[in-house]
This record gives sequence, structure tokens and C-alpha cells, in this order.
Amino acid sequence: DSGVTQTPKHLITATGQRVTLRCSPRSGDLSVYWYQQSLDQGLQFLIQYYNGEERAKGNILERFSAQQFPDLHSELNLSSLELGDSALYFCASSVSGVPGNTIYFGEGSWLTVV
Amino acid sequence: AQSVTQPDIHITVSEGASLELRCNYSYGATPYLFWYVQSPGQGLQLLLKYFSGDTLVQGIKGFEAEFKRSQSSFNLRKPSVHWSDAAEYFCAAKDLNQAGTALIFGKGTTLSVSS
Repeated sequence: DSGVTQTPKHLITATGQRVTLRCSPRSGDLSVYWYQQSLDQGLQFLIQYYNGEERAKGNILERFSAQQFPDLHSELNLSSLELGDSALYFCASSVSGVPGNTIYFGEGSWLTVV
Repeated sequence: AQSVTQPDIHITVSEGASLELRCNYSYGATPYLFWYVQSPGQGLQLLLKYFSGDTLVQGIKGFEAEFKRSQSSFNLRKPSVHWSDAAEYFCAAKDLNQAGTALIFGKGTTLSVSS
């Protein structure tokens, strides 16, 4: 158990809908990351937050947004969903923004868009 | 663009045999390098990491990796594979273009262990 908690574990929704994925980082970790894992693209970095502020942005679509709240939990919002958005979405956390910190991953949220 | 390449999509090793998983990176400077393992239905677990110093790093579960700057490689090794090592293995590197500390991952290598 990494200490990173993600909900829901599985989600099935229809195209055009909007979903919210939730992440609680490890106790004491200030940095949160979101990744998307799909068969064709592999593991893609979406976005990073550090202590409530956006730190880095990767291949995140405009239809997707995220935020980190004062209690440090984070949410990834996916809207106008398409079939191609079906993937495993990982949240990860680390103590700070220092490159040497270990990044711990949650077990992921499986999203299926039908 | 910076990238991490894992040339082998799938490898099968006999139980008790040695293992080497290949990883190549394309970075100008010395990157921060990592190996993660993902078991079915699980998240990613860090096996080991390299930042500087001794180019041979030891990790958990009996794994080790060697950084070779001349070959731009960071191959993962284990002297004797156990059936429980069957999983997907990801090599990753720190994205030096990113302001934060996000990692770039390779496509992964699936390890099967035969008895």
C-alpha cells in the first residue's frame, strides 16, 4: 500500500459525460501528479500540483482540468468524454517538488467510456 | 525531445534464470533515472532510482540497475527470477524540460516467468 488513495476504482460512463476522479496523497506529501495509462500511449504525464499551485503541465487535454485543494487532496475533472479517454488514471504524490523525492503511485481509477 | 525507450515489449524468463531489462534514454545531461514495477491491477511501485554517484544501484526485491552514460542506458537486472516477479516493468526519467518533477516513462516491458 503506497498510501495514495484514489476513488473511484472503476467508472463506466457514456460519451459526452463529465466525471471527477479523486486523489488523497500520502500523509505529508505536498506534490500531486496525474498520469494517464492507455494501451496505445503508455503512461502519459498530465499535470502536477504542489501545495495547491499548478507546477507543471504535460499532455493534458483542454477538456481535462485538475486542482489541488487546501487539504492537499486533488481532483481530475474529465469532460465531454470520448471513447479514446478510456484509460487507467493514476494519481501519485511526493513529499515536495525536489527531483530526488520518490513519487508514490496510487492503484489508479479505471475509466471506461461507452 | 527527451525520451525513454524500452526495446523489449515482452520477455519470458525461466524461474531461477537471470534477467536483464533494457532501458535507453535520450537526455543531454545526466538524468534522474527510475525503475518501477506494476503488478496486474496494482499501481506502480518504485524498485530503484539513480541520481548520481555509484553507477550500480541496488533496489528492492533483489533488483539492481547500472547506469552507463556512454551507452545512454539504465538496464535492470536480477540474478535469479522468481515467479512472483512476473509483472510489467517501467523505466522512467526526470523530465528536465518540465518545471516540476514529473517523470517520462518508457512503454514498459512485460515479464513472464516460466516454470
